[in-house]
Amino acid sequence: DGGITQSPKYLFRKEGQNVTLSCEQNLNHDAMYWYRQDPGQGLRLIYYSQIVNDFQKGDIAEGYSVSREKKESFPLTVTSAQKNPTAFYLCASLPDRTVGNTIYFGEGSWLTVV
Amino acid sequence: GQNIDQPTEMTATEGAIVQINCTYQTSGFNGLFWYQQHAGEAPTFLSYNVLDGLEEKGRFSSFLSRSKGYSYLLLKELQMKDSASYLCAVRDGRSGNTPLVFGKGTRLSVIA
Repeated sequence: DGGITQSPKYLFRKEGQNVTLSCEQNLNHDAMYWYRQDPGQGLRLIYYSQIVNDFQKGDIAEGYSVSREKKESFPLTVTSAQKNPTAFYLCASLPDRTVGNTIYFGEGSWLTVV
Repeated sequence: GQNIDQPTEMTATEGAIVQINCTYQTSGFNGLFWYQQHAGEAPTFLSYNVLDGLEEKGRFSSFLSRSKGYSYLLLKELQMKDSASYLCAVRDGRSGNTPLVFGKGTRLSVIA
């Protein structure tokens, strides 16, 4: 089945550690996105990539990094510079540039700092 | 700047109709989306509007007025399973792959 796979589902991080959240899609989508959601809040854009080997900062990119070396993969690294990383992280992808296309979400990853 | 406003919480009775409003102020406009999100899960797509008017899809309808920067999601014949958060999102760029900007969501509680 085609879809977006995020892993791990739950991750605990010690303060000062970097962690990487995986996002893989087999939908052949060009564009991929990372959003962060805090309890009771909407989604905020961290980074996005419209094509392989290219990515753009979103509204809250500080303390995060990404890479897009393959079309299928868009991993997100939460660095120690991110002071409050505990949140729900959602990866999404988009089929093409057709204006009415919705984005497709992965199941999300919960990150907790301990 | 970008600003998308929705009520924080709403409560409605099973079998009733509820309207969730969304107002937006964005630098551009290229479509408005509504998503449903159950607690701890990813959002799921409900509807899309790019032209003024009403789009109906079963028990769910969505309305858009671009001149007023206003949309609403109408849920009819409410069921307990409709208890969830409802997110309004706008694509504010010309390109179809411009990231969506989300509101904070409206948490709907359906009571018996």
